[in-house]
Amino acid sequence: GAVVSQHPSRVICKSGTSVKIECRSLDFQATTMFWYRQFPKQSLMLMATSNEGSKATYEQGVEKDKFLINHASLTLSTLTVTSAHPEDSSFYICSASPQGLNYGYTFGSGTRLTVV
Amino acid sequence: GESVGLHLPTLSVQEGDNSIINCAYSNSASDYFIWYKQESGKGPQFIIDIRSNMDKRQGQRVTVLLNKTVKHLSLQIAATQPGDSAVYFCAESDTGRRALTFGSGTRLQVQP
Repeated sequence: GAVVSQHPSRVICKSGTSVKIECRSLDFQATTMFWYRQFPKQSLMLMATSNEGSKATYEQGVEKDKFLINHASLTLSTLTVTSAHPEDSSFYICSASPQGLNYGYTFGSGTRLTVV
Repeated sequence: GESVGLHLPTLSVQEGDNSIINCAYSNSASDYFIWYKQESGKGPQFIIDIRSNMDKRQGQRVTVLLNKTVKHLSLQIAATQPGDSAVYFCAESDTGRRALTFGSGTRLQVQP
């Protein structure tokens, strides 16, 4: 149980365009999901906490207008990278946990974003 | 700010040996700790967790030790196999924060 699916696994986009990444909890409901970013050979850095039915909470230094998060249902959160630039190229990973558990310890498989 | 860090960036072991990966954390309020394994191009895979009311927990071939006095966490892998080669991250959280803070990672290389 506790499977998190992320889509797409890889995406290449042109500078200035927007890209949407989906994170789904397949066999459980998640009121909270977390979005992380990982640059090559670095650790995971928390970007934002996605809350179902309310606004996301962003970490310091993360632009909320650039990284739009929508958590419209208990099984889906989306991250949209708007007006992407090459420096946004990274590995984006989401996580979630079943209701009743804390800390969101199941991760998706990640999305490799390349902005050209 | 709070951080979780590792002592060794790369660990090379022979197949069959035991591996020990270390992690230090700085947030004294941390009460939950997890070890993850990450293979290239994939998301982190849960290995084992431990809460602050424990100092040792064992799983299949893995043991996590927690020393709250010195804020130190370790992952022991018994009889290391080539399939164990990956980057290992420790992560911590506290009841109030919920989200995880990750350490910098250790690459484990298993030599056949």
